[in-house]
Amino acid sequence: DGGITQSPKYLFRKEGQNVTLSCEQNLNHDAMYWYRQDPGQGLRLIYYSQIVNDFQKGDIAEGYSVSREKKESFPLTVTSAQKNPTAFYLCASSRRAPPTGELFFGEGSRLTVL
Amino acid sequence: EDQVTQSPEALRLQEGESSSLNCSYTVSGLRGLFWYRQDPGKGPEFLFTLYSAGEEKEKERLKATLTKKESFLHITAPKPEDSATYLCAVQPNSGYALNFGKGTSLLVTP
Repeated sequence: DGGITQSPKYLFRKEGQNVTLSCEQNLNHDAMYWYRQDPGQGLRLIYYSQIVNDFQKGDIAEGYSVSREKKESFPLTVTSAQKNPTAFYLCASSRRAPPTGELFFGEGSRLTVL
Repeated sequence: EDQVTQSPEALRLQEGESSSLNCSYTVSGLRGLFWYRQDPGKGPEFLFTLYSAGEEKEKERLKATLTKKESFLHITAPKPEDSATYLCAVQPNSGYALNFGKGTSLLVTP
């Protein structure tokens, strides 16, 4: 079945450490996105990528980095510069950007900074 | 600035008690409005896309409608399994991603 796989589902990190969240899709979609979700807040866009080897900052990119070396993969690194990294992170994809149809979401990764 | 406001924040219904969720939006040209369902600890699941005022879409007990300033998600005779958070998102003509509201948390009790 086609879909988006995020890993790990749960991750704990000590302050000052970088951590990378994995996102893989087998939908053959061109565009991929990373959103952050906090309690009582809407989803906020961190980064998006329209094609391989290209990506753009979203609304809250500070303290995060991404790469898009393959069409199927869009990993997100949460760096030590991110002041409040504890959150639920969601990866999504669409056939192309701007999306003319729905976004497909993964199951999410919950990051907790100890 | 594009804005999406959902109301109410939380809604509790008894099984069979129909109601509506609201999504009001301000956007400089609407490409599409999306409704998603999200269960706790899961990613959002797509429900509907609406593109123009007057459009309606239905799926089981859910019906989404769109005007120039807002969208409604009508839930007819809800069941406990409809309990979830419902998210509304808009995509502006000039944007590359969706802008989400904070969601409405729906609880349907037996």
